[in-house]
Amino acid sequence: DVVLTQSPLSLPVTLGQAASISCRCSQSLVNSDGNTYLNWFQQRPGHSPRRLISQVSNRDSGVPDRISGSGSGTDFTLKISRVEAEDVGVYYCMQGTHWPPTFGQGTKLEIK
Amino acid sequence: QVQLQEAGPGLVKPSETLSLICTVSGGSVSSGPYYWTWIRQPPGKGLEWIGYVYRTGSTNYNSSLESRVTISLDTSKNQFSLNLRSMTAADTAVYYCARDPDGGTFDFWGQGVLVTVSS
Repeated sequence: DVVLTQSPLSLPVTLGQAASISCRCSQSLVNSDGNTYLNWFQQRPGHSPRRLISQVSNRDSGVPDRISGSGSGTDFTLKISRVEAEDVGVYYCMQGTHWPPTFGQGTKLEIK
Repeated sequence: QVQLQEAGPGLVKPSETLSLICTVSGGSVSSGPYYWTWIRQPPGKGLEWIGYVYRTGSTNYNSSLESRVTISLDTSKNQFSLNLRSMTAADTAVYYCARDPDGGTFDFWGQGVLVTVSS
C-alpha cells in the first residue's frame, strides 16, 4: 500500500497567521490517465471528514480561497494563508491513484 | 445535494457480524459513475478504506478485510450495505459511508456511526 506521511502531526497556529501541512508519498501519485489523485480533507471535532481539495489543487465549492493545495509526484502541501477559528480540526491527505486508497495519519491544527 | 445516512447497531458482540446500511438521498445509487464506499476510523485514529460497490453490483475490498467483508447494493431502496463478519475489539470504529465519483476521491460522506465490539 502507498504510505502517506504528513508533517507536522500537531500544528499550533496564531489566528491570522499562515499554516502549512506537508504530505509525502511512498510512490508517485501520477496516474496512467495523467491525473494525480491527491486529496485533502478537513475533519472538525465531532464531524465527518469534508473534502477541501481534489486532484492536488482543485478547491471544493464553499472552500475559501485562503486554503490552497499544491505539489506534484510524491510531495504535496496544503496551505492556509490566514488561519481562522473555523479551521480548527484534523487535516488528512488521501491518495486515490493506487489501490487501495490510503490516508495520511492526520495533522491536528489548533489555535495558540 | 447528495446526502448519505448510516444506520445500524452501536454495539456488537465479539465473533458476531456487523450489518450497516447507508441510505442515499438526492441521487440514485444505480446511476452515474459512482463507487459507493465504506470507510472506518477507530477512536482517536486515522481513516481506513474498507471497500466499495459500483452501480453494476461489482465490488472491491481492502485486502486486509477481504475475507470478512461484503458490500452490496439495494437499488429498490436506494441503499447500500456493509456486512463485516467475525468482529473483534479491533473493529471498534466509527463507520462512514461515502461516495467516490471517479475512483480516486470521496466527495460526500455520511455523519458516521460508532460501532463498539464488546460482550
